[in-house]
Amino acid sequence: AQKITQTQPGMFVQEKEAVTLDCTYDTSDPSYGLFWYKQPSSGEMIFLIYQGSYDQQNATEGRYSLNFQKARKSANLVISASQLGDSAMYFCAMRESGSSNTGKLIFGQGTTLQVKP
Amino acid sequence: DAGITQSPRHKVTETGTPVTLRCHQTENHRYMYWYRQDPGHGLRLIHYSYGVKDTDKGEVSDGYSVSRSKTEDFLLTLESATSSQTSVYFCAISEAWGTGELFFGEGSRLTVL
Repeated sequence: AQKITQTQPGMFVQEKEAVTLDCTYDTSDPSYGLFWYKQPSSGEMIFLIYQGSYDQQNATEGRYSLNFQKARKSANLVISASQLGDSAMYFCAMRESGSSNTGKLIFGQGTTLQVKP
Repeated sequence: DAGITQSPRHKVTETGTPVTLRCHQTENHRYMYWYRQDPGHGLRLIHYSYGVKDTDKGEVSDGYSVSRSKTEDFLLTLESATSSQTSVYFCAISEAWGTGELFFGEGSRLTVL
């Protein structure tokens, strides 16, 4: 069964430093998609970045990059040059190709990131 | 931003009462979802819809029902609310093409006393 695991309940990072948020997944489907979402204290869910299982390069979006290691089944989010506004909860999520006709995602438990000034 | 509105945004109710949460979209997206968010569990799928009158159960569907009579509206009903259904409920929408990311509503906080 598909599963997403985020093992870091909470993390701290100094402003302007880089931080890596861990995500591992389990699936037997060769085709899948991986997503990261940010949830600030205001509560909304913000889509950050997407990685397809067949993508040759790691996805990047501004200060966000996804360190995709397929053999290890990990999809870690890297935030470079942390800012105070990056303080939030971050969720990793996955969609299997078998869900392509429904689009549903499964989510990890989340990691709370606090950026220190 | 995707046009998704949830109502009510906050509700306090008593055990045993029926509750309906509404999700309304203006994006004409085919897929709609109801998730609940609880500490330590992330977001868990309750029900989803892949078209008008086409719905299916998610991971935590017990005690919930849904209806979708038109593309833009997806209703979540708790027939008889219990304290274990105290949660934040998120509606989301997506389309079938591209990366297929979900766009979320602002959430509805439900407290069952």
